[in-house]
Amino acid sequence: KAGVTQTPRYLIKTRGQQVTLSCSPISGHRSVSWYQQTPGQGLQFLFEYFSETQRNKGNFPGRFSGRQFSNSRSEMNVSTLELGDSALYLCASSFNSVDYGYTFGSGTRLTVV
Amino acid sequence: GQQLNQSPQSMFIQEGEDVSMNCTSSSIFNTWLWYKQDPGEGPVLLIALYKAGELTSNGRLTAQFGITRKDSFLNISASIPSDVGIYFCAGQLGYNQGGKLIFGQGTELSVKP
Repeated sequence: KAGVTQTPRYLIKTRGQQVTLSCSPISGHRSVSWYQQTPGQGLQFLFEYFSETQRNKGNFPGRFSGRQFSNSRSEMNVSTLELGDSALYLCASSFNSVDYGYTFGSGTRLTVV
Repeated sequence: GQQLNQSPQSMFIQEGEDVSMNCTSSSIFNTWLWYKQDPGEGPVLLIALYKAGELTSNGRLTAQFGITRKDSFLNISASIPSDVGIYFCAGQLGYNQGGKLIFGQGTELSVKP
């Protein structure tokens, strides 16, 4: 059974650019959540999608956005990158997000220079 | 925002020793989860707790959902070198919070052979 797949694993971008990260959840999982992990702030919730609808949103600026496709795959986009956006971005999936723990992918390491 | 206070921040122990870490919050949580993260990887779910007072084991790991629903602990018995890593507690505030997990700051465990 394949796990949560995130691509790419590593990314280097220049300040001001935009970036799109991809997440393929475990087959059958309909809930996908995104987290940002930094040494200073730890793991911070970005947003959650369920059946193509954003169900919850964290306290991040509008430069951070996401979407989910009909096959449950999800993408997140960060526009006008800032140095502080450098982080490990993690995606997690769950069957229905209520009674099941979330399974995380290995993450995308984004470096903004 | 909501916070989980996880302690201790780090532990240095001898192989074979038992380990205990805990998380507390001022808020009531619906679900408590414990994850382990290795360098460069995403968190891996160790134990999920869904009911107040619930005590659950997974091999050498035991975790409990506090009766007040504001705390949880994780015990590791007879530690081994591969237990090294960062352990996170995570809580879900309510069913309507979906995939929005709130994470503790992590406990970094080092095991000396």
